[in-house]
Amino acid sequence: GENVEQHPSTLSVQEGDSAVIKCTYSDSASNYFPWYKQELGKGPQLIIDIRSNVGEKKDQRIAVTLNKTAKHFSLHITETQPEDSAVYFCAASRPSGTYKYIFGTGTRLKVLA
Amino acid sequence: DGGITQSPKYLFRKEGQNVTLSCEQNLNHDAMYWYRQDPGQGLRLIYYSQIVNDFQKGDIAEGYSVSREKKESFPLTVTSAQKNPTAFYLCASSKQGLSGNTIYFGEGSWLTVV
Repeated sequence: GENVEQHPSTLSVQEGDSAVIKCTYSDSASNYFPWYKQELGKGPQLIIDIRSNVGEKKDQRIAVTLNKTAKHFSLHITETQPEDSAVYFCAASRPSGTYKYIFGTGTRLKVLA
Repeated sequence: DGGITQSPKYLFRKEGQNVTLSCEQNLNHDAMYWYRQDPGQGLRLIYYSQIVNDFQKGDIAEGYSVSREKKESFPLTVTSAQKNPTAFYLCASSKQGLSGNTIYFGEGSWLTVV
């Protein structure tokens, strides 16, 4: 069935370093890939998204890259700060036929001061 | 402010009880969703609704029920048939109900069986 694999499950980085989280999707019809940040006890918040017609998108310290051929996309956080510590989820959805998003299993990012 | 409001934030259920989690959105979104999140786990879809008076089962619908009588509201009932209901429940919504439109989440409700 459709699935999204997310790696790593946990990631620790020193403050100021970069963090990279990778997701691989199985449904080649997927065309929309959002990333969510979830802080403890709260709902996930959208931090960046990308559609299949572009290969990269950047918003300040956060960027997402998409490789449609390999069916994977990655979240890049530069100059990490302690407040970046959270669980990050990727997701993939297809344009029609279903209203379901397929979520990755999450990455717990710890930024060490 | 526009957003998705879930209530209550914390709820305790006794064995054999049905409980209802409320979800209201004022974003004028057509589609609404309920997800379940277990500690350290990802998001699993319980039910979703594309329009008023219509809803579809997700991956783990057994033991749950929903209604969609108003566009703004999508309450979730956790029935006594759900044998392991302790979890974090997330309501979400999206515009037009089409994949490719962003899902926005509420702040979640914690349900604990006592």
